[in-house]
Amino acid sequence: KNEVEQSPQNLTAQEGEFITINCSYSVGISALHWLQQHPGGGIVSLFMLSSGKKKHGRLIATINIQEKHSSLHITASHPRDSAVYICAAPPYNTDKLIFGTGTRLQVFP
Amino acid sequence: KAGVTQTPRYLIKTRGQQVTLSCSPISGHRSVSWYQQTPGQGLQFLFEYFSETQRNKGNFPGRFSGRQFSNSRSEMNVSTLELGDSALYLCASSLPIKPTGTGRTGELFFGEGSRLTVL
Repeated sequence: KNEVEQSPQNLTAQEGEFITINCSYSVGISALHWLQQHPGGGIVSLFMLSSGKKKHGRLIATINIQEKHSSLHITASHPRDSAVYICAAPPYNTDKLIFGTGTRLQVFP
Repeated sequence: KAGVTQTPRYLIKTRGQQVTLSCSPISGHRSVSWYQQTPGQGLQFLFEYFSETQRNKGNFPGRFSGRQFSNSRSEMNVSTLELGDSALYLCASSLPIKPTGTGRTGELFFGEGSRLTVL
């Protein structure tokens, strides 16, 4: 069992739909990262959070430390949101990121 | 402000050779971390450097090594290349979470990666 697990692995949506990607982890962590990777490889950091909720534009990330669970939400999805979304977390007091397997999102017009 | 720069972007090597990859972090960032991405294993942590010291190391054989220079630029080296080393190698730089000192690293800024093909 991976220490960081994501679901679903693949997700397709119509433009405008509300998207939720889930991440659960089994190790104690101090923070969790949500990353976005477009075809071609470049990775962009979307959020780093250790509690509660963060919002940036149409993206919202939440984390429940007690339940060891985080979610990434995309409101009013758009084809340009099509990418692989990856959660990653370092076990407490280290920076050795453990990555989820990623969620491939495709948003169709 | 310039982003994280990785060189070379693409390279082809043969088994048994060695390779050195370079990463120049964002100005002012003292932490540099390296990752390997393959279709089979996904993203995996290689190592992390802060102020020229390796602070964390992933579960990779000793053929994988790295270093960081006084200007925070980092290099990683893979010796005796194997076919399975074919991958996208990414580096990221960051600031500490706490503004002073050596607190845990904060938001990561990734380079475009170096794509290594081993034949």
